[in-house]
This record gives sequence, C-alpha cells and structure tokens, in this order.
Amino acid sequence: QSVLTQPPSASGTPGQRVTISCSGSSSNIGSNTVSWYQQFPGTAPKLLIHSNNQRPSGVPDRFAGSKSGTSASLAISGLQSEDEADYYCAAWDDSLNLVFVFGAGTKVTVL
Amino acid sequence: QEQLQESGPGLVKPPETLSLICLVSGDSISSSSYFWGWVRQPPGKGLEWIGSISDTGTTYYNPSLKSRVTISEDTSKNHFSLNLTSVTAADTAVYYCARHSVVAPLYGMDVWGQGTTVTVSS
Repeated sequence: QSVLTQPPSASGTPGQRVTISCSGSSSNIGSNTVSWYQQFPGTAPKLLIHSNNQRPSGVPDRFAGSKSGTSASLAISGLQSEDEADYYCAAWDDSLNLVFVFGAGTKVTVL
Repeated sequence: QEQLQESGPGLVKPPETLSLICLVSGDSISSSSYFWGWVRQPPGKGLEWIGSISDTGTTYYNPSLKSRVTISEDTSKNHFSLNLTSVTAADTAVYYCARHSVVAPLYGMDVWGQGTTVTVSS
C-alpha cells in the first residue's frame, strides 16, 4: 500500500491528452515538492518533472506537472507512441521521520 | 557528466548480507546539494525507496527496511554503499543508486545508475 495513490493504468490514442493523478497527504505532497519519473521496461527511471512542475533539460513540453493541496497531476499532451511507459510520482514525507515515498506507478498505454 | 554505477554480487544466499557499492563520477558525494540514495524494484513491481545519505553522513531509511539497512559513504573513493542484512527471496530486485538533489531549483532524483539485478536464492 503506497502512501501516494496513483491509478494503475491510463490510456489514450495518439494526439490525445492523458492525465495521471497522485494523491497524498499533508505530510508529503501537502508540504513538500513532487517529482515524476518515467520508466521503460528494463531501463532505469528517468526524472521527468521536478519541483512540482519543472521539466529537466531535454524533456518535451508535452509533459506538464501540477500540484494543488495534497494532490498532484502529470499531464501528457499530444500523446505519442513513445510515451508508452510507467510513470511514478514521488515526494518526501515528514510525518514521523523524513522518508521518501513513491506512488505505485501508472502504466500508460497508447492505443 | 555525472554518472553512477552500481556494483556487487548478483546472487546472495539467504540469510546472508547483500552489499552493493555505487561509484560516483563527475561529481563529489561531499556536495551539500545532494543526497545519495538507493531504490529497488522487485520483478514486475514498482519502485521502492530504500534510503539515502546526506553530505554530512546523516542517513534516512525506509521504515519497513530500517532494521536491516545500512547506507554509508567513502568520500576518499567517492562512492556510497548499501548493506542489507538477513535477506530473503523478497529482497530479489533490481537495485538502483541515484543522486537526489535537495536544494533549489531542483528537487528530485535527477541522476540514476543503470541498476544491478540481485537474486536471493540458496
């Protein structure tokens, strides 16, 4: 049971907009920044969004992150076949001791 | 160009200790801007944070693993290590090391190793 809740799957056709939600609490998303990671099978995760809504250099602007209260979202606009991957949200949680938590991940399928 | 490279045995017998090293190049693990962490991924499952170590040597651990985990650093060799004791088959996973930026403007795990597969089996 992950502290951050994500839907297990999401899908869309090429060109569509897909949104992935990440629900947390006041001790994690509510008080710390959110990062998002993209992972293809057999490869290491890659930082996709940091500091809630910032894209590292090289990440297409089709990817956008947002945060409101204790929830965050990742939106993929103009979905492309190469976006088919697993996506994880993450944040620090300072409820008791400082720990870093990942969501369980969302598999995005391009139909 | 910062790079991280995990190394260690690919097979560990229960209930022995799993030991991995992450060699950091292109950066100093003494930098105050970063923590250095370990993340694992069991076959077919999601990412699990194991723990991280700061530039001052302060460690932060996943509560579910805390009793078995030690993360340490060797600044002279610019690497950090993971020790996981009393392993069972449930510890079989791909283990990643990662750089964790903790100061503005970037908060997140921005550099990852390629990962190393560790199988726990007798």
